[in-house]
Amino acid sequence: AQSVTQPDIHITVSEGASLELRCNYSYGATPYLFWYVQSPGQGLQLLLKYFSGDTLVQGIKGFEAEFKRSQSSFNLRKPSVHWSDAAEYFCAVGAGQKLVFGQGTRLTINP
Amino acid sequence: SAVISQKPSRDICQRGTSLTIQCQVDSQVTMMFWYRQQPGQSLTLIATANQGSEATYESGFVIDKFPISRPNLTFSTLTVSNMSPEDSSIYLCSVDLGQGAADTQYFGPGTRLTVL
Repeated sequence: AQSVTQPDIHITVSEGASLELRCNYSYGATPYLFWYVQSPGQGLQLLLKYFSGDTLVQGIKGFEAEFKRSQSSFNLRKPSVHWSDAAEYFCAVGAGQKLVFGQGTRLTINP
Repeated sequence: SAVISQKPSRDICQRGTSLTIQCQVDSQVTMMFWYRQQPGQSLTLIATANQGSEATYESGFVIDKFPISRPNLTFSTLTVSNMSPEDSSIYLCSVDLGQGAADTQYFGPGTRLTVL
């Protein structure tokens, strides 16, 4: 069965520091992979997605993610975080027409 | 992408009652989805709602508890029936714009439900 693991429940970084959020997936076929962000009291916003081709994908708000098939990973990165990046981040794998989500990583930004 | 709205944005309900949540999208879409996000948890798919057919429910969710309507290509409703405090969650709808072979879902803002 498909599954997504986000090993870090909560991460705190200082404003201006770099960020990497980890995501590992389990899926038998070529995965479609997504990162969503949920700000407090909001719905989910799509940050970026990987379907095929270049394994480094660029998203909105300065985020990028790298697909590594050998490691079954799709980690999210940002070179310099802003206070407005504080939110919950969800990694998801597309399983047919469904999405399977990880447990989420809550990002806190220190001023 | 698409503009998706949900009504109500939040509600507080008494146990034993029912609440119907509406989801409206600004373009015609074939596939709509309903998710539940329990407090501090991730999203779990409740059902897939295609226009013109019965909703398809995931394991652990049944039509009697979560009846869904899909009267047209821009609208869907989810009813949470005979509510208990365990139903307190955020309920989100999403749509698949069907852009190519790889499906991308876009989410509404969610409905925050508290059951007393």
